[in-house]
Amino acid sequence: RKEVEQDPGPFNVPEGATVAFNCTYSNSASQSFFWYRQDCRKEPKLLMSVYSSGNEDGRFTAQLNRASQYISLLIRDSKLSDSATYLCVVNKLGYQKVTFGTGTKLQVIP
Amino acid sequence: GAGVSQSPSNKVTEKGKDVELRCDPISGHTALYWYRQSLGQGLEFLIYFQGNSAPDKSGLPSDRFSAERTGGSVSTLTIQRTQQEDSAVYLCATRQLNLSSYNEQFFGPGTRLTVL
Repeated sequence: RKEVEQDPGPFNVPEGATVAFNCTYSNSASQSFFWYRQDCRKEPKLLMSVYSSGNEDGRFTAQLNRASQYISLLIRDSKLSDSATYLCVVNKLGYQKVTFGTGTKLQVIP
Repeated sequence: GAGVSQSPSNKVTEKGKDVELRCDPISGHTALYWYRQSLGQGLEFLIYFQGNSAPDKSGLPSDRFSAERTGGSVSTLTIQRTQQEDSAVYLCATRQLNLSSYNEQFFGPGTRLTVL
């Protein structure tokens, strides 16, 4: 089983829709979690960190479920500019190496 | 500049030649990572530096790949006797190390390597 697993998609959604992605991780010692965004032919950039209490940034909400070992990203009112690949990132306790998922591709269509 | 820089941005080489890729980290970032990304694929971890030492080089695909970091700053990734399957974008990322585990990685723009 991969350390971090994501549905590769693509998720094709109309503008204005709400879309959610999940990411599962296998190591219960995982400590910190992130969502990165990668545009086509660009480097990944941090979208948001995922805290135990969950966090929200505008149209984006991230949640962590430690019991089931997954994190989620919810995007409300999708914009065309949200089209990208969303990478789930997991960091193990006391270990500086981070593990990236293979990404979920989102395409928002007019 | 304030960000991570990589050079060259593009490199075309012939099979069998050696190539050297460079990463200049953000000042003060002691952790440095190299990844490889083939077209349409996810990030493949290659090696991680903490200061000048490499606690984890488990991702290097073969002994043709090596990396070093000097002065806790610039890092070079060297690929010897390049093969066509080495063609990919090589990404460098750096990170500040402190008590927080929530420090994000900052990525450079990558070096696009094409082996003919």
